[in-house]
Amino acid sequence: GQNIDQPTEMTATEGAIVQINCTYQTSGFNGLFWYQQHAGEAPTFLSYNVLDGLEEKGRFSSFLSRSKGYSYLLLKELQMKDSASYLCAVSDTGGFKTIFGAGTRLFVKA
Amino acid sequence: DTGVSQNPRHKITKRGQNVTFRCDPISEHNRLYWYRQTLGQGPEFLTYFQNEAQLEKSRLLSDRFSAERPKGSFSTLEIQRTEQGDSAMYLCASSSGGSGRETQYFGPGTRLLVL
Repeated sequence: GQNIDQPTEMTATEGAIVQINCTYQTSGFNGLFWYQQHAGEAPTFLSYNVLDGLEEKGRFSSFLSRSKGYSYLLLKELQMKDSASYLCAVSDTGGFKTIFGAGTRLFVKA
Repeated sequence: DTGVSQNPRHKITKRGQNVTFRCDPISEHNRLYWYRQTLGQGPEFLTYFQNEAQLEKSRLLSDRFSAERPKGSFSTLEIQRTEQGDSAMYLCASSSGGSGRETQYFGPGTRLLVL
């Protein structure tokens, strides 16, 4: 079957660092995406990993280990506006179908 | 280009009625996707178009759902004989279809409430 697991909720403090983990089991793999979604809004693209290793983009970094079926999203210097759901998604072979996890709701407190 | 747009943004209907939603993708994107999202869940894949061809449809999609993309540009999603369980956010996304990364860019969604 196809399955993506990520924690339901996390809480962190403004200015801190938080790591959101994602494990996946899918029939095919053509890359892993992280999206941010604020309540009532559409998901917005954050990062893409297709090769093992760390991709850094400003305050956000994403890591992938294909052999372990594992990824994480690292958020540094947390801001209140980072309070949102973070969706881990895996693109099936050929990129036709993307499977999304249920999302991790991050609460950033002062 | 202003990104993916969807209309209407909100729709309230009575059970048994038909509804139709429209999606206008980013102009140069030839791939278009429909998803459904309920509270506390991630987007659930419904169907996918490459240009005007519907290449994949979720087995979860009942026969009451149909989607078209007649000229390979905008797309419509119709739900016939709506049920209360159809209440959800319907998201459209598009991608460029080039080699390598297939980042999907989402529209604002249409929120459907079936009474």
